[in-house]
Amino acid sequence: ETGVTQTPRHLVMGMTNKKSLKCEQHLGHNAMYWYKQSAKKPLELMFVYSLEERVENNSVPSRFSPECPNSSHLFLHLHTLQPEDSALYLCASSQDRGAIYTGELFFGEGSRLTVL
Amino acid sequence: GQQLNQSPQSMFIQEGEDVSMNCTSSSIFNTWLWYKQDPGEGPVLLIALYKAGELTSNGRLTAQFGITRKDSFLNISASIPSDVGIYFCAGPLYNTDKLIFGTGTRLQVFP
Repeated sequence: ETGVTQTPRHLVMGMTNKKSLKCEQHLGHNAMYWYKQSAKKPLELMFVYSLEERVENNSVPSRFSPECPNSSHLFLHLHTLQPEDSALYLCASSQDRGAIYTGELFFGEGSRLTVL
Repeated sequence: GQQLNQSPQSMFIQEGEDVSMNCTSSSIFNTWLWYKQDPGEGPVLLIALYKAGELTSNGRLTAQFGITRKDSFLNISASIPSDVGIYFCAGPLYNTDKLIFGTGTRLQVFP
């Protein structure tokens, strides 16, 4: 059983819809991340939260809006998306931001998003 | 922007064969990480390397931190069907808090 749970696993939405992706970690970690995984492209970092404060916004369009209400939960609110936003969205958590040097990021299974 | 290039892009091998893949960058990295992503799952850390020339093993997996600090290698010995997946290298981008990932090597193992 993974310590990082993402819901929904699959989501199909139209370009005018509003939906949200949810991530929950049960590991007591202080940092959480959203990554985008598109076909044949490297994982792209979208957002980083540390102690519920956004510390990184990797030039992500405003149609993606993250929210971190507490250290265990992370949301990605989706609004007016484009077909090219179709991808696997991966949430990860780590004890702290030093995990970029240890590699100790724990990923969820991802939410597969299709935008029609 | 900074990119980590992995080769080969994909491999189709028979069970029992050894596998080699590599990751290269135009810039120096002080840490090299290798992850595996099983189908339908998120990536999982396999091996972390911290020193140029370092050779580290994890079971049948062996990874090396290249001497130039611009590359890293991953070898899998005596492959088995559960080795199927995508293997990513990764490293922290210099002077940032960003961990960047390579383009991935997709491995298929046939019995």
